[in-house]
Amino acid sequence: EPEVTQTPSHQVTQMGQEVILRCVPISNHLYFYWYRQILGQKVEFLVSFYNNEISEKSEIFDDQFSVERPDGSNFTLKIRSTKLEDSAMYFCASSPGQGYYHGELFFGEGSRLTVL
Amino acid sequence: AQKITQTQPGMFVQEKEAVTLDCTYDTSDPSYGLFWYKQPSSGEMIFLIYQGSYDQQNATEGRYSLNFQKARKSANLVISASQLGDSAMYFCAMRVLNQAGTALIFGKGTTLSVSS
Repeated sequence: EPEVTQTPSHQVTQMGQEVILRCVPISNHLYFYWYRQILGQKVEFLVSFYNNEISEKSEIFDDQFSVERPDGSNFTLKIRSTKLEDSAMYFCASSPGQGYYHGELFFGEGSRLTVL
Repeated sequence: AQKITQTQPGMFVQEKEAVTLDCTYDTSDPSYGLFWYKQPSSGEMIFLIYQGSYDQQNATEGRYSLNFQKARKSANLVISASQLGDSAMYFCAMRVLNQAGTALIFGKGTTLSVSS
């Protein structure tokens, strides 16, 4: 069964360093998303991406964050200068379309980011 | 703006019994989808069930059913015949369906513990 894959599964970095989290969405999906979950808290929306551009972003997704689909398969989240409060699990998700019966998101297993 | 509320931080149930996890939502958009996801201790997000705002019947998927009461804006998840493997965090989520790439907004989650 097709699945969303994420790398790395866990990354430890120093505050101020740049981090890139990578995702390979399901191949025929059109919409891509990043979410984050601080330990023990709810899953928060960061950004959605369609047709090679951001379609929606939350207030969390500030200038420190960027997303890219560099090669038609990978979907990356970059954090330019990490802060302690960026420590969280980051989930990538994809969905096949925006139609009424294709609304569910398929999530990857997450990338745990620890900022020291 | 959309909002999801899960008022039960934790629920406890005996194996083989049924349990209801509460979820209320708020949106002014008439076209929306409601989702439930399961997050076991391993961290991945597993899609369980979907209910569209125009669906006339309550959604069912195996042991999962969604008690959709549109007038009350509630979308409770019912798990019948609980199993030990059902112990996990459960998230209710919603998205508006009439725009491309709209975010899936999550509630704070309910931790379900199933005992033998």
